[in-house]
Amino acid sequence: NAGVTQTPKFQVLKTGQSMTLQCAQDMNHEYMSWYRQDPGMGLRLIHYSVGAGITDQGEVPNGYNVSRSTTEDFPLRLLSAAPSQTSVYFCASSYDGTSQPQHFGDGTRLSIL
Amino acid sequence: KNEVEQSPQNLTAQEGEFITINCSYSVGISALHWLQQHPGGGIVSLFMLSSGKKKHGRLIATINIQEKHSSLHITASHPRDSAVYICAVFTDKLIFGTGTRLQVFP
Repeated sequence: NAGVTQTPKFQVLKTGQSMTLQCAQDMNHEYMSWYRQDPGMGLRLIHYSVGAGITDQGEVPNGYNVSRSTTEDFPLRLLSAAPSQTSVYFCASSYDGTSQPQHFGDGTRLSIL
Repeated sequence: KNEVEQSPQNLTAQEGEFITINCSYSVGISALHWLQQHPGGGIVSLFMLSSGKKKHGRLIATINIQEKHSSLHITASHPRDSAVYICAVFTDKLIFGTGTRLQVFP
């Protein structure tokens, strides 16, 4: 049982490059979300999805794009990377996203030069 | 002021000690989560609670809804308990505290 799988684990980009962080879950969870974790701050919500075809913005959505074409996958796209997007990114899923336990991926450590 | 405050920020203990980590929040919630983040970075859900008390092995979590406060206790602490412990509250979304870094020495 894989749970939530994030790829890649590490990535270095140059300013202005674009890339996609992948997230997949095999638990048939409807709710999926992306967070970023920065030193001295709690995890902050970037985007979330309550089911296939439905996405919405979180607290810090600027510079990021998401789509949810299937229940399993929820990729996060950086459109034009900026140094301020250097962070650790976590994908999470849960059954219904209201108050159910969250299952987290192992994180992607992203550096923008 | 953060909506979720944890204390202490850092905590060191000797193996076997009783540990308490506190979480206070300022918003109305439907549930509170305690999470553990290992040194390698992975995040694991420990507890989800909306009232009372839950126990799992050496871990105990309590919540007082009226006082908007929760505590995570670790009995007979062990070096493998060394991690960052994160409190998160659910309103219409999850709001996270900044975490408590615990180091347990043999």
